[in-house]
Amino acid sequence: AQSVTQLGSHVSVSEGALVLLRCNYSSSVPPYLFWYVQYPNQGLQLLLKYTTGATLVKGINGFEAEFKKSETSFHLTKPSAHMSDAAEYFCAVSDHNDMRFGAGTRLTVKP
Amino acid sequence: NAGVTQTPKFRVLKTGQSMTLLCAQDMNHEYMYWYRQDPGMGLRLIHYSVGEGTTAKGEVPDGYNVSRLKKQNFLLGLESAAPSQTSVYFCASSYSKDTQYFGPGTRLTVL
Repeated sequence: AQSVTQLGSHVSVSEGALVLLRCNYSSSVPPYLFWYVQYPNQGLQLLLKYTTGATLVKGINGFEAEFKKSETSFHLTKPSAHMSDAAEYFCAVSDHNDMRFGAGTRLTVKP
Repeated sequence: NAGVTQTPKFRVLKTGQSMTLLCAQDMNHEYMYWYRQDPGMGLRLIHYSVGEGTTAKGEVPDGYNVSRLKKQNFLLGLESAAPSQTSVYFCASSYSKDTQYFGPGTRLTVL
């Protein structure tokens, strides 16, 4: 079965600094990979996804992620953090019929 | 389009009581899912369905039952609630193993 590991349950950055949220996965078949964001008391919203093709994918709100098969990684980055980016971020992997989520990383943005 | 809706939004139960959570989607998706979200554990899949009349177990199915009598609805039942089932429950739907669309969640407390 597929699985996801997110390194760091909490990440804190200053406004304007680089955001890097780490995700490693395991899957027995070529995976679909996702990053979702969750704001307080809301459901999850898709930030970006990788299915096939270009390994660098761009999402909403200036986020991007790169699929690295050799490293089994799908790290999420944003060049310059904004206060509105404060939320919880989940990496997910899907191979057959279901999707498995990481434990989440809570991003704090300091003024 | 309403997307994915969940009822109720909040519920408090006593140990041993039963209840049903309703999920509805208007996107004509074949796949539907029920997750629970607990602090530090991300989202864990309870049950899922790949089409009307079909259901399958996820990671944490014990204590829950589901039914998918209509394509647009996916019901999650708790026959005898336990305090360990206190959680936030999310429903999601998708076309296949691609992007899942989430409802706003149901916060359940079992006393």
